[in-house]
Amino acid sequence: SQQGEEDPQALSIQEGENATMNCSYKTSINNLQWYRQNSGRGLVHLILIRSNEREKHSGRLRVTLDTSKKSSSLLITASRAADTASYFCATPNSGGSNYKLTFGKGTLLTVNP
Amino acid sequence: DTAVSQTPKYLVTQMGNDKSIKCEQNLGHDTMYWYKQDSKKFLKIMFSYNNKELIINETVPNRFSPKSPDKAHLNLHINSLELGDSAVYFCASSRPDSTLAKNIQYFGAGTRLSVL
Repeated sequence: SQQGEEDPQALSIQEGENATMNCSYKTSINNLQWYRQNSGRGLVHLILIRSNEREKHSGRLRVTLDTSKKSSSLLITASRAADTASYFCATPNSGGSNYKLTFGKGTLLTVNP
Repeated sequence: DTAVSQTPKYLVTQMGNDKSIKCEQNLGHDTMYWYKQDSKKFLKIMFSYNNKELIINETVPNRFSPKSPDKAHLNLHINSLELGDSAVYFCASSRPDSTLAKNIQYFGAGTRLSVL
């Protein structure tokens, strides 16, 4: 089964710096999503990029997708302490109504004030 | 106005007991899910229901039985709890329209289950 793998597993930066997280997956996809999970909370959807898109922006977030390399990156610019969280990529198993998402193991981002 | 709510938030119980976790969504979604997140934060799908019908069952032990009384609720009942069941369980739901929107999932805050 396909599975997203994020790297690095953990990232610690200073407030104001940019944070880049990467995700690799194994099979063909029609879209890829990124989610954030604050400590002790549920996952929150951040952004979805379609397979025919190479880059997408949302506020301070920039996502890229390279389907030839089966990889995606999430860039958070001008990071804030509130960005401290785990970030997960997720890829769907499409077909019929079986829209299962497979999540990677996540990158724990710590933004130090 | 919590979109996906699950109760309880914390559940501490002895091995061998039976327990239930409840989930409700007020988003009008027709698909609901249960996930298990282990201590290393790995999130794995357990079940998915679409319009009260089971569509995904990811080789979960039959001690776990989901029940969907209606589209807005998906409860998880666990029999004969084992130490390895200790984890955080998340309920989620997704939208009924368009293929792409259906992929976006909305999560509850989680239920931390500790089996002693």
